[in-house]
Amino acid sequence: GAVVSQHPSRVICKSGTSVKIECRSLDFQATTMFWYRQFPKQSLMLMATSNEGSKATYEQGVEKDKFLINHASLTLSTLTVTSAHPEDSSFYICSATDQPGRTDTQYFGPGTRLTVL
Amino acid sequence: AQSVTQPDIHITVSEGASLELRCNYSYGATPYLFWYVQSPGQGLQLLLKYFSGDTLVQGIKGFEAEFKRSQSSFNLRKPSVHWSDAAEYFCAVAPWAGGYQKVTFGTGTKLQVIP
Repeated sequence: GAVVSQHPSRVICKSGTSVKIECRSLDFQATTMFWYRQFPKQSLMLMATSNEGSKATYEQGVEKDKFLINHASLTLSTLTVTSAHPEDSSFYICSATDQPGRTDTQYFGPGTRLTVL
Repeated sequence: AQSVTQPDIHITVSEGASLELRCNYSYGATPYLFWYVQSPGQGLQLLLKYFSGDTLVQGIKGFEAEFKRSQSSFNLRKPSVHWSDAAEYFCAVAPWAGGYQKVTFGTGTKLQVIP
């Protein structure tokens, strides 16, 4: 149980376009979802936390207008990278928990590699 | 703010040999410590976690970790490595506050297992 999927697993886009990444909890209700990004040889960095039906809470330094997060249902959250640029190229990972706000019970998706040309 | 250091970027061990992955943390109060494993194409999976009690904590897949407050360490061990253990391992720390605090991850240690 407790499976989290992400789609797509890889995406390549042109600079200036927008890209949407989906994160789904397949067998549980994800009241809270987290979005991370990971640069090569660096650790996972939390970008934002979202609770179903509420606006996401972004970490300091993360542009909320650039990284749009929607958590409209208990099984789906989306991250849209708007007007993507090469510096947005990274590995984006989501996680989810059925215990609101708990960070010690999060289940992780396999990640999405974004390459912006 | 808390931080985590995994000094070994890459480790190679022979199948059947013992394994120890190092993790040092920095946090002034009671830390909540985790080890995760990430296999290719898979999400991070929790191996074990610790915040109190016996300083030697058992996890899944035959892994254990020992909390040493005096050394600010939480090293992961396995007595006999299997080829399927080849993966990337992440140590992480959070302030202990009932499990609601932001988790800070290390940069990971990639484990290669040779026959």
